[in-house]
Amino acid sequence: EVQLVESGGGLVQPGGSLRLSCAASGFAFDTFAMSWVRQAPGRGLEWVSVISGSGDSTYYADSVKGRFTISRDSSKNTLYLQVTSLRAEDTAVYYCAREPAYCGRGCYSLSDYWGQGTLVTVSS
Amino acid sequence: IVLTQSPGTLSLSPGERATLSCRASQSVSSSYLAWYQQKPGQAPRLFIHGASSRATGIPDRFSGSGSGTDFTLTISTLEPEDFAVYYCQQYGTSRPTFGQGTKLEIK
Repeated sequence: EVQLVESGGGLVQPGGSLRLSCAASGFAFDTFAMSWVRQAPGRGLEWVSVISGSGDSTYYADSVKGRFTISRDSSKNTLYLQVTSLRAEDTAVYYCAREPAYCGRGCYSLSDYWGQGTLVTVSS
Repeated sequence: IVLTQSPGTLSLSPGERATLSCRASQSVSSSYLAWYQQKPGQAPRLFIHGASSRATGIPDRFSGSGSGTDFTLTISTLEPEDFAVYYCQQYGTSRPTFGQGTKLEIK
């Protein structure tokens, strides 16, 4: 059974940093691209970032580029999102999601399995 | 690519047919258009990919259609569990985007 479990969220002051984690199980982690998608309270979904299965390709939304870094550790079956220079508008539930195997060339961040999310609150 | 969903809210009764629209600001590559369902307090769930292919376990009352810039999600006969928010997503660019969502509520 595919499982994705996020952790690392919490309350942080503006300008602060956090590292979000997503522990994956039930599939061959290093063969699947993975994404982060966020959802501000009461709002819609916003794509944040994607990383290839090998980890050598990454893409970011303009709203987080230069502040967030996506990475993965295949030895730990874990996806990460390092978030820095946090702003109030980064307050959201952050979901990790898996890209299905049939999402091939030219396909970015279609997501067939999602975690339950971790809440990041940026406030003084 | 900006995705605009309409209507914002759709009020229908169980047994009725629902038609949700998603319009893109430019053509969606290879019909890389997906639909997700989200219920309160839950993560989104993939329902349709490739504009018209149902994801695993999705009942056949759900169907997707369209190409280019205009896409539609149709629910042929609404069941009580279908009332939720639906998002479209284009995933054919390195900057995927979501629509703002359509809330399907019980009339």
